Amino acid sequence: GAGVSQSPSNKVTEKGKDVELRCDPISGHTALYWYRQSLGQGLEFLIYFQGNSAPDKSGLPSDRFSAERTGGSVSTLTIQRTQQEDSAVYLCASSALATGGGEQYFGPGTRLTVT
Amino acid sequence: AQSVTQLDSHVSVSEGTPVLLRCNYSSSYSPSLFWYVQHPNKGLQLLLKYTSAATLVKGINGFEAEFKKSETSFHLTKPSAHMSDAAEYFCVVSGIYDGGYNKLIFGAGTRLAVHP
Repeated sequence: GAGVSQSPSNKVTEKGKDVELRCDPISGHTALYWYRQSLGQGLEFLIYFQGNSAPDKSGLPSDRFSAERTGGSVSTLTIQRTQQEDSAVYLCASSALATGGGEQYFGPGTRLTVT
Repeated sequence: AQSVTQLDSHVSVSEGTPVLLRCNYSSSYSPSLFWYVQHPNKGLQLLLKYTSAATLVKGINGFEAEFKKSETSFHLTKPSAHMSDAAEYFCVVSGIYDGGYNKLIFGAGTRLAVHP
């Protein structure tokens, strides 16, 4: 079956512009997570969705970052007024269960470059 | 709080020789532990997971890991390295956080190089 998909695969944007990153989780997975992978910072948790609500937004680095999920499926991560330090690979993951040690399945990521 | 330390940032082995990637964890709870692999320009793939069943966990591609509570370790091993094993490997700990969900905490990663 289809895995987690993300779009675009690559995004180059100018500093100060807004960007939207999309994640399509595995069908039926209720839990969805966003992570950021950057040099020097490793893999950082950003936000967790259960259904359409986000019980944990603690990893969002600033108020320029926001995310939403609709229909318990697709999620978009929006970065406003992008800065060069936002350059990273943004990874989305989904899992069938949010508890009980449920493994997370990752998408291929979106590589964001802010010039 | 949960944390995980991967003891080597880079490991280099010859093809056909054993692989050992070391990981130590810290957890206030009985943790779930995972190893993920990331090949260049690819997403993260789950290799194996430990969730308090057998302490020796077998994963895909001949990898296995042993949970040792007394040593707080979860080292990844493979008897014989293959060229296709060259990748970055992440040790991950998961615990129950406020809100009752699993939050993954990633180690810094170990880059495995395999030489002919």
